[in-house]
Amino acid sequence: QSALTQPPSASGSPGQSVTISCTGTHRNVGGYNYVSWYQQHPDKAPKLIIFEVIKRPSGVPDRFSGSKSGNTASLTVSGLQAEDEADYYCSSHAGGNNVVFGGGTKLTVL
Amino acid sequence: EVQLVQSGTEVRKPGESLKISCKVSGYDFSIYWIHWVRQMPGKGLEWVGNIYPADSKTGYNPSFQGQVTISADRSTSTAYLQWSSLEASDTAIYYCSRGDGNCGSCTPWYWGQGTLVSVSS
Repeated sequence: QSALTQPPSASGSPGQSVTISCTGTHRNVGGYNYVSWYQQHPDKAPKLIIFEVIKRPSGVPDRFSGSKSGNTASLTVSGLQAEDEADYYCSSHAGGNNVVFGGGTKLTVL
Repeated sequence: EVQLVQSGTEVRKPGESLKISCKVSGYDFSIYWIHWVRQMPGKGLEWVGNIYPADSKTGYNPSFQGQVTISADRSTSTAYLQWSSLEASDTAIYYCSRGDGNCGSCTPWYWGQGTLVSVSS
C-alpha cells in the first residue's frame, strides 16, 4: 500500500497559522472518517493530536484542528508556538484492519 | 493509566532471529488492538501490522507480510513482534501502540517508548 502524500516541510512565524495536507485515495482518506494526526518531537514517540478527522484527545490544545475534503485531509495549527516545531504524520484507515501513514512533514517555527 | 513498556535495544547479525515485546498495563489487554509501527533511521512512520489479543486476529501491511510475525500473550498482557531471519534493512525503531476510538484497528493512540533494533554484520 502506498503512503499518503504530505509536503516534506512547512513553516510559519509565532502566532501565525499553518496548514499541512495529507492526500490519499478513495481507498483510504476519502473512503473513511478515520484520519489521525501525530506530532513527533526528536527522539520521542509519536503523540496523537487528532483522531477521526476532527476530534482532539483530551489535553491537546484547540490550536490544533483537523478537516477533510474528498481524498485530502488537513491539519491546521493556529497561533504557532515554538514548541509546535516537530514532525507531523497523518494516518488513515485503509480497509480491513489496515492502516497507512503519510511520509511526514517537518514543521519549522521561524 | 494506560502504559505500554517495550523491551530494550537489540543488536543482532543478519540471519539471526529476534522477538521484541510490548507489555501493557492499566487496561484490559484483550479488548484493544495493538499496532506495530516501524521508523527507519531519519525516516517516517510505517505501519507494520496489528493484533486483537482476544482472538489473536492479525492484520499486516503487505510490505511486511511474511517478513515478521505479530503475536500476543493474554496471560502476561504482552504483545510481540518477531523475525526469523533479520536483514540489515530491518534496522529501525519499532513502536507498539494501543488502538482506541470508534475504530481501534484504525487508530494507534497510546504509544510505547520504542525499541531500537540494530542489524549489522
